[in-house]
Amino acid sequence: QKEVEQNSGPLSVPEGAIASLNCTYSDRGSQSFFWYRQYSGKSPELIMSIYSNGDKEDGRFTAQLNKASQYVSLLIRDSQPSDSATYLCAVSLDRDDKIIFGKGTRLHILP
Amino acid sequence: SQTIHQWPATLVQPVGSPLSLECTVEGTSNPNLYWYRQAAGRGLQLLFYSVGIGQISSEVPQNLSASRPQDRQFILSSKKLLLSDSGFYLCAWGTGGTEAFFGQGTRLTVV
Repeated sequence: QKEVEQNSGPLSVPEGAIASLNCTYSDRGSQSFFWYRQYSGKSPELIMSIYSNGDKEDGRFTAQLNKASQYVSLLIRDSQPSDSATYLCAVSLDRDDKIIFGKGTRLHILP
Repeated sequence: SQTIHQWPATLVQPVGSPLSLECTVEGTSNPNLYWYRQAAGRGLQLLFYSVGIGQISSEVPQNLSASRPQDRQFILSSKKLLLSDSGFYLCAWGTGGTEAFFGQGTRLTVV
């Protein structure tokens, strides 16, 4: 059973602070990892992709991957009210190209 | 650049009626295509994915079906809708092992 697990939240973070979102996955064959942001009533939009162990930074966002622990995280620095959304973690298995999503974490940035 | 078109944006259908949702992609060849459903307050559930014309993989046995009559066209169908088919239907495209990009979605309400 391939699963992607996330804390549903809500996670409340003061404006300007660092928001930390976590995700675990069950299939060790997972090769590609993604973070999406979804505003209420809208479709998900890609924030970050990460394929190898370590950190990947893009502006205020940093994705972290640890394949040995089957763990991927997203850090959002200098959180803004516009970051309030649901964040979806997704993983892909190279062998069948499926992309499986977690149920998402609701993030609320407090002004 | 690549674009994905999905229509209609909203749909209200009676129980027992048929369904046809269409998705087309522009600006790329031989994309992977996906259909997801997001029920109210829940995560993204992968329904079907396709790696080529006529190649459809079904993830969840139910009264829905999918077809890919052309390289960049993906259709989701049902012969008889159930109340439980209500949800937000999302089409996405990607290339093998990489991220997926979503259309705007169709919000289906079965009454």
